Amino acid sequence: AQSVTQPDIHITVSEGASLELRCNYSYGATPYLFWYVQSPGQGLQLLLKYFSGDTLVQGIKGFEAEFKRSQSSFNLRKPSVHWSDAAEYFCAVGAQDSNYQLIWGAGTKLIIKP
Amino acid sequence: DTAVSQTPKYLVTQMGNDKSIKCEQNLGHDTMYWYKQDSKKFLKIMFSYNNKELIINETVPNRFSPKSPDKAHLNLHINSLELGDSAVYFCASSRGTPPEQYFGPGTRLTVT
Repeated sequence: AQSVTQPDIHITVSEGASLELRCNYSYGATPYLFWYVQSPGQGLQLLLKYFSGDTLVQGIKGFEAEFKRSQSSFNLRKPSVHWSDAAEYFCAVGAQDSNYQLIWGAGTKLIIKP
Repeated sequence: DTAVSQTPKYLVTQMGNDKSIKCEQNLGHDTMYWYKQDSKKFLKIMFSYNNKELIINETVPNRFSPKSPDKAHLNLHINSLELGDSAVYFCASSRGTPPEQYFGPGTRLTVT
């Protein structure tokens, strides 16, 4: 069955430190991959996406993610986090053969220590 | 210049009532969605409409009925509300393939 796993429910990082949020997927077809961010009380905002081509993709707010097919992963990174990055982060995966319906991870809550 | 808007933002109602949530997008997108986010932040697709036609209809109670009067609007009507319907409901829209979905701010529904 298709699935998306975000292994970390919470991650705490000091302001200015680097960040990596993990996302693993199980998908038979070529996946399309997304990272979304949800600030408290807000809707979801698209951070970045991978469809094809260069496996290192750049997004908004200084985020990047790397698609590793061999590891079925699409981890999100940021070299230096800011207090405003505190939010819930969701990984989502879709594929053409499932009508692009997105399968969502359970989310990772990012907590920033001052 | 709001892209995807939802009304109301908060909705508190009693069990057994009927309520509607409205969604509008001004992005010119041809596909719209309804998601339910539970208290643990888990997102579940409920419905998807493309050019006013239903294309995804996940297993949700038939008390939930989407209505798309035109490409820019997708409303969600809920009959006989139950406690378990309490959640945040998100509307989203997209265009093209693969679709990038743009989300509204959400409607927090509380059933008492």
